[in-house]
Amino acid sequence: GEDVEQSLFLSVREGDSSVINCTYTDSSSTYLYWYKQEPGAGLQLLTYIFSNMDMKQDQRLTVLLNKKDKHLSLRIADTQTGDSAIYFCAPVGGGYNKLIFGAGTRLAVHP
Amino acid sequence: NAGVMQNPRHLVRRRGQEARLRCSPMKGHSHVYWYRQLPEEGLKFMVYLQKENIIDESGMPKERFSAEFPKEGPSILRIQQVVRGDSAAYFCASSPKEGLAKNIQYFGAGTRLSVL
Repeated sequence: GEDVEQSLFLSVREGDSSVINCTYTDSSSTYLYWYKQEPGAGLQLLTYIFSNMDMKQDQRLTVLLNKKDKHLSLRIADTQTGDSAIYFCAPVGGGYNKLIFGAGTRLAVHP
Repeated sequence: NAGVMQNPRHLVRRRGQEARLRCSPMKGHSHVYWYRQLPEEGLKFMVYLQKENIIDESGMPKERFSAEFPKEGPSILRIQQVVRGDSAAYFCASSPKEGLAKNIQYFGAGTRLSVL
């Protein structure tokens, strides 16, 4: 079945850039999403990219898509302590627009 | 415009009881998705519903779990005879039927089910 892999942890210093990577298996994914989850909370949609794009920029966020390698990344510029959370890559997969989630990357931002 | 509303936020049940989780989609959204998140894991798709129809239930356990989205009222995820392994966070997401945002799913805050 479809699968999504992410690094489990990332630690960065406040003010640095963070890059969260994701690989997926379903080459037919038309949309690929990034969600943020803070402790005990729901998922907040951060950004998404269509499969016919290779880059999307939205303020501090930059998404890069390498469709050939099925690799997606999220870059957060000028990372702040409020960015500490779990980040999920979620391509659409398996038909009917359902999202396939990896285990998430825990981003820790330290002073 | 209120977001996706789920209630209750926390639900405690004893083994063998029934759990009913409710989800009211965003205004104007007619598509509802349910996902389950076990501790320290990502979300797993359970079921996709439109008004009065189950479209895809490929992620639903075959027994004890059911879902509905009636013409009026919220979507309900029902778990009968709960067991400890059902303890998880259950998230609902909604999306509109059409328009530019039709493929974007917006999530509720979740219901955290604890089975004693």
